[in-house]
Amino acid sequence: NAGVTQTPKFRVLKTGQSMTLLCAQDMNHEYMYWYRQDPGMGLRLIHYSVGEGTTAKGEVPDGYNVSRLKKQNFLLGLESAAPSQTSVYFCASSPGTGRGMNTEAFFGQGTRLTVV
Amino acid sequence: EDQVTQSPEALRLQEGESSSLNCSYTVSGLRGLFWYRQDPGKGPEFLFTLYSAGEEKEKERLKATLTKKESFLHITAPKPEDSATYLCARYDRGSTLGRLYFGRGTQLTVWP
Repeated sequence: NAGVTQTPKFRVLKTGQSMTLLCAQDMNHEYMYWYRQDPGMGLRLIHYSVGEGTTAKGEVPDGYNVSRLKKQNFLLGLESAAPSQTSVYFCASSPGTGRGMNTEAFFGQGTRLTVV
Repeated sequence: EDQVTQSPEALRLQEGESSSLNCSYTVSGLRGLFWYRQDPGKGPEFLFTLYSAGEEKEKERLKATLTKKESFLHITAPKPEDSATYLCARYDRGSTLGRLYFGRGTQLTVWP
């Protein structure tokens, strides 16, 4: 009954360091997403994937890369962290899109990242 | 320009005092309108999906409605445990598959 699991839950990075956030879902969902949430800005889509081996850019993709080598995992990478990337990151998954399909997204608990 | 606008930004209600939250969207061709609840320190939790103007869905003290321009989340006789941030999101015919656009949320506080 895990749903969407994100690791780590908290992380502090120094400017210029790199890291990878891992998202795993056990619901066999096709779609997976990475969002960031900042005070007063709401949830903004970074990258998303519509299936294994595919990725696409969202609203705020700069400074991030993603990979979806396995259907159940979606990785978000920061190659050279900047203070502007301090945020709470949420991963989500959904079965698919289109009316008549079960389209709601299920979210993980978030990763709080601070870049100093 | 925000594609989804929620109002008010914050709302304080006394227990039992019913009210409504608003979500308006600027782009036509809506394919789906979603409501989520988010508690502090947690990820959003799905509440409702609405597809057509006139559609309504209910869950306990919450009822979501949809018109051609906006959606309302009605809260009847709220309790303190309804305190949370409520998020609205949409995707439309013009968007790339799978993209959900979120509003900034309404922070609801219900005091006893």
